[in-house]
Amino acid sequence: AQSVTQPDIHITVSEGASLELRCNYSYGATPYLFWYVQSPGQGLQLLLKYFSGDTLVQGIKGFEAEFKRSQSSFNLRKPSVHWSDAAEYFCAVGGRTDKLIFGTGTRLQVFP
Amino acid sequence: GAVVSQHPSRVICKSGTSVKIECRSLDFQATTMFWYRQFPKQSLMLMATSNEGSKATYEQGVEKDKFLINHASLTLSTLTVTSAHPEDSSFYICSARSSNFNEQYFGPGTRLTVT
Repeated sequence: AQSVTQPDIHITVSEGASLELRCNYSYGATPYLFWYVQSPGQGLQLLLKYFSGDTLVQGIKGFEAEFKRSQSSFNLRKPSVHWSDAAEYFCAVGGRTDKLIFGTGTRLQVFP
Repeated sequence: GAVVSQHPSRVICKSGTSVKIECRSLDFQATTMFWYRQFPKQSLMLMATSNEGSKATYEQGVEKDKFLINHASLTLSTLTVTSAHPEDSSFYICSARSSNFNEQYFGPGTRLTVT
């Protein structure tokens, strides 16, 4: 079955601290992997994506993610979190022309 | 580039009426558009996939007669919620993909409230 698991529903970090959001997927074919961010009442903004090649991908706003095929993971990281990073983060998987399957999201709270 | 708009951003309608939501790709031709529904503090649930000029493909459990989707052009898809009920109140998000892209671009969403 195709699925995405984000085991952390809610994460709280202090501003300036490092961040890692976990994402595990199950997908029968070559996965295309995405991380999106959503601010309250807004649509989704693409942070980064992985299709092939280098397994460490850089995205916008200082985010990066590493694809680990052996662990079926695509964890999102940021070395130093800013208060403006507080939002909901969604991991998604799909094929080239397939629909996207979203995880349940991780809500990030940032304390000053 | 790759901007998707939705209109309206918010709509309030009375129970039993119908409401139409538009999704437009502003700077690219969207061969495929997707409609999602999102309940508060929950993930996105795909409702249907529409390809330009053909009938939409609905996900299991989504009533096609209640959620009418039209993708009449390469830049416009519409979702009409017919005979709306309070339980249809939700955040509806569309996305669009062109044949040149491997990713979907999302609209800003439409907040529907049925009273």
